Order: sequence, then structure tokens, then C-alpha cells
Amino acid sequence: DAKTTQPNSMESNEEEPVHLPCNHSTISGTDYIHWYRQLPSQGPEYVIHGLTSNVNNRMASLAIAEDRKSSTLILHRATLRDAAVYYCILRREYGNKLVFGAGTILRVKS
Amino acid sequence: NAGVTQTPKFRVLKTGQSMTLLCAQDMNHEYMYWYRQDPGMGLRLIHYSVGEGTTAKGEVPDGYNVSRLKKQNFLLGLESAAPSQTSVYFCASSYSLTDRTPGNEQFFGPGTRLTVL
Repeated sequence: DAKTTQPNSMESNEEEPVHLPCNHSTISGTDYIHWYRQLPSQGPEYVIHGLTSNVNNRMASLAIAEDRKSSTLILHRATLRDAAVYYCILRREYGNKLVFGAGTILRVKS
Repeated sequence: NAGVTQTPKFRVLKTGQSMTLLCAQDMNHEYMYWYRQDPGMGLRLIHYSVGEGTTAKGEVPDGYNVSRLKKQNFLLGLESAAPSQTSVYFCASSYSLTDRTPGNEQFFGPGTRLTVL
């Protein structure tokens, strides 16, 4: 599985946008980019995924670089509830598993 | 709709004891997964199932067995627990395997915190 690189931690102010980066320089053509998050003492929660085009849903936006070697998860207005570990994961089109790295710890200040 | 539930929430075992963790989902999902998460680390896949009666090994299967006798249940067994199996165990399920179609996202349970002394 191709690897991803994320910052260990980031900090944001409440109600401001947050851009969480992810580098995946060895991504292959059939790898989808997934984002999950894990709130304290809970199981992971799906956020968003995409292949080539930018994606939006009710939780976040995913911006994918043209060469697909990096992507950015965008939370448009951070709330205290968004404080979590965010995982950027690559998965083959028909992959059966999610390979979690260490993720980025997002802290949100009020 | 309860989603994915796990039983028990906490358990303490002595080395050599056995136990079974139960995962149940009420979303009619075909695919189910067991992960473990050690402190400060991401999740690692233990075993998974692509349907009733079928199971397959994941990344770290040694020391664990699984069974999927009913579509809605996925059991994880430890035959002879070891301190190295102290971890938080998460179960997940999904509607599909492929990312091409909707329903591939995995839904996770709240976890079982297991300590082996």
C-alpha cells in the first residue's frame, strides 16, 4: 500500500477554516484517497473520499492536487467537536482494508 | 438504528485465558472487519469477512480467530490471551468493498478495551 505523510499535530481557532495536508507521492492510478477522523475515546468516523476531482459533502471538502501527490482536507468552520485525530488513507479501488497511519491531531481553541 | 455495537466495552483477562468479542450491525452490511489500536498508533486490521460464512486474514491475524455465522454478527476470539494483545479492539462494517460505488465507507463500533495481565 502506498504511504501517506501527515503533520503530527495542528491547531485551529473555533469558527475558522482548517486545512489538513496529506502527502502521498507514491500514489498509484487506482488509489482512492480516504479521510477518517477519530474523536477521543470513540471509533473512527468516515469523513470523505475521492479519486481525482475535488469532493464536497456535509462534513468537509477534499482538494486533490492535479498530480495527485498531495491532498488537503478542508473543514470550513472548525468547532470544538472537530477536535480529533484525522487520518489520510490510500486504498486500492477494490481494496479490502484501510491502513491507518498515526494521523494528525487537530486541536481547536475557543 | 443502533449501527455497529460491540460487547463487552471493557474486559480484563489473565494470561492464557480465552474470550470472545461480539460485534453486531443492523445495517444489513455484507462486509465486516476487526481492527486493533495500540496506544498512540493507528488501527491495524486483524481479520475481515466478505459475507456470511467467509473470513480472511488481515495485517495482524496471529493469536486471533473469527467467525461469521450470521450476516449481522462477527465474532473475534482469543484462545490463549497474551499481554501483547492488550489493546482497544474496533469492529467495523461496510455495504460495499469497491470505492467506485457508494456505500464503501466503514462504520465503526465504540470499541472494546482489553487488558491482559
